[in-house]
Amino acid sequence: AQTVTQSQPEMSVQEAETVTLSCTYDTSESDYYLFWYKQPPSRQMILVIRQEAYKQQNATENRFSVNFQKAAKSFSLKISDSQLGDAAMYFCAYRSVFLQAGTALIFGKGTTLSVSS
Amino acid sequence: GAVVSQHPSWVICKSGTSVKIECRSLDFQATTMFWYRQFPKQSLMLMATSNEGSKATYEQGVEKDKFLINHASLTLSTLTVTSAHPEDSSFYICSARANVLTFGAGSRLTVL
Repeated sequence: AQTVTQSQPEMSVQEAETVTLSCTYDTSESDYYLFWYKQPPSRQMILVIRQEAYKQQNATENRFSVNFQKAAKSFSLKISDSQLGDAAMYFCAYRSVFLQAGTALIFGKGTTLSVSS
Repeated sequence: GAVVSQHPSWVICKSGTSVKIECRSLDFQATTMFWYRQFPKQSLMLMATSNEGSKATYEQGVEKDKFLINHASLTLSTLTVTSAHPEDSSFYICSARANVLTFGAGSRLTVL
């Protein structure tokens, strides 16, 4: 079974600074998807960024980028130029590409990010 | 973009009563929807996979008779918490796939 581990329950960053959130996962599959979701106080899940395992290039979305290390099974999220609105709980998630295994997301325990001015 | 609507967003009920939560895909059809449960400051735990026209697939440890799931159409899945007790109080979130997995805004259940 696949597992997702986020070892940092809480992180903090100052406005305009850069912060990196860690995520490791375990799988025997060769192809899969990885995601970072943001959950602000409203509790609405918001997709931040997505990475396909067969793509070696790290995904980027504006101030958000990932460092995907497939051999190490590591998928960290870097937030540059942090803003107050980035404060939220961040979840790393895994999804198999094989329908037989189901296509639900498997989530890590989350990292609460606080941003100070 | 794809929208998943959940209703109600917040419900309070007495112990022993049943509560139904609806999950609708507003602008797309979803043969599969997922139900998650989230306790405060914790992760989302998959409860079940809802399949249109067939029985839901429940995760290990989730009581099928307690959490009834019905996916009667391509745009609607319902989760009924039967004979609710205080320990069922939680945040329930559904999701469905359009191009990407889209989440509803969640339903907060408080059982008194």
